[in-house]
Amino acid sequence: EPEVTQTPSHQVTQMGQEVILRCVPISNHLYFYWYRQILGQKVEFLVSFYNNEISEKSEIFDDQFSVERPDGSNFTLKIRSTKLEDSAMYFCARGGRETQYFGPGTRLLVL
Amino acid sequence: AQKITQTQPGMFVQEKEAVTLDCTYDTSDPSYGLFWYKQPSSGEMIFLIYQGSYDQQNATEGRYSLNFQKARKSANLVISASQLGDSAMYFCAMREGSNAGGTSYGKLTFGQGTILTVHP
Repeated sequence: EPEVTQTPSHQVTQMGQEVILRCVPISNHLYFYWYRQILGQKVEFLVSFYNNEISEKSEIFDDQFSVERPDGSNFTLKIRSTKLEDSAMYFCARGGRETQYFGPGTRLLVL
Repeated sequence: AQKITQTQPGMFVQEKEAVTLDCTYDTSDPSYGLFWYKQPSSGEMIFLIYQGSYDQQNATEGRYSLNFQKARKSANLVISASQLGDSAMYFCAMREGSNAGGTSYGKLTFGQGTILTVHP
């Protein structure tokens, strides 16, 4: 089963700016997830998305974050006003019966 | 309490030898799944192997096998015949709960990872 693709692969932004990270899954999948990995640390769950609605979110996923699937294909994670501590690798994943398939990630650097 | 514990920050193995990466988990849910992912230096997360809590046999995928000891709550990854390309970070992860059909699409909780270095 193919994994998802993510754009951009790298993003550099200034603190306080908005960023939008995109995930392009194969169509007809219903379960999607966003995770992040701060450099050198473990992978952390942010939010899961089922049938165009948030199904679960972590305490990290505060009001600065939002997700949507505006056109039924691309799946986006928006960070409204980035902080230095938002610098991390952000992974999109799609759900499978016995696993989750991760995209290649977007490396976000907030200056 | 940590749900997933990987006690080995780093492991070294000689090429062609077998290596075991440890993982213990903590859950009160009778239905759960255990996963191993490989993360090479390029950063992507590569799925390796899955074990369901109700699976009677240990999972195997090529050179990877999962030593599942339910009573001990451990799910160690065994890599046989190590190759230089196996050098990477390895993460153990757990998904808790399932629906009535036995399928779950819940979040994954990851351990801290183990860096494996394969020496020629």
